[in-house]
Amino acid sequence: SAVISQKPSRDICQRGTSLTIQCQVDSQVTMMFWYRQQPGQSLTLIATANQGSEATYESGFVIDKFPISRPNLTFSTLTVSNMSPEDSSIYLCSVLYPSGNTIYFGEGSWLTVV
Amino acid sequence: AQKITQTQPGMFVQEKEAVTLDCTYDTSDPSYGLFWYKQPSSGEMIFLIYQGSYDQQNATEGRYSLNFQKARKSANLVISASQLGDSAMYFCAMREGNSGYSTLTFGKGTMLLVSP
Repeated sequence: SAVISQKPSRDICQRGTSLTIQCQVDSQVTMMFWYRQQPGQSLTLIATANQGSEATYESGFVIDKFPISRPNLTFSTLTVSNMSPEDSSIYLCSVLYPSGNTIYFGEGSWLTVV
Repeated sequence: AQKITQTQPGMFVQEKEAVTLDCTYDTSDPSYGLFWYKQPSSGEMIFLIYQGSYDQQNATEGRYSLNFQKARKSANLVISASQLGDSAMYFCAMREGNSGYSTLTFGKGTMLLVSP
């Protein structure tokens, strides 16, 4: 299976601030995805992180609020900008390995905005 | 219409018994994949099992098996010999098409509690 590391694992943030979440994969992958899971809810796709080009955002998510970087095939970051309590969620990165159909997830980053 | 439906918000099972978690899906794409993930209270999403739409046999991974009924569009997860550590949230998900850009759509999840 894949090794996907996310940092931070947990954080408590002040409203109005921004936080960057890192996702590091143990091998090169083509596709990386960022999901949000609000308390008691299922996962919602935020965007697909494309290497060498801008991320592709889903309806309801915008680049100004959730800027994403993908500088190479093993690393991506998601920034949650100008946070409000509604942004309190688990943020998860996931990857599709080119060798198969399996999609793996990182350990998740729990953000609480106060 | 929901693409993935999990009708059981919660399920209870006794240790060592088998349990089936239901999942139905909706797609018009002939090529798709179905996934099950386990999410313990720690929050990580653990991949359990995958079934491709063209796979002839039901997928199995250790104590996990996927009861794939294509005509009924159902992909139920069967956990045999439940263990206390199986207590967690379980999500069914689907990926339509086989493009690298196709993404996962998740159901609402089923909370499984295993009692001694």
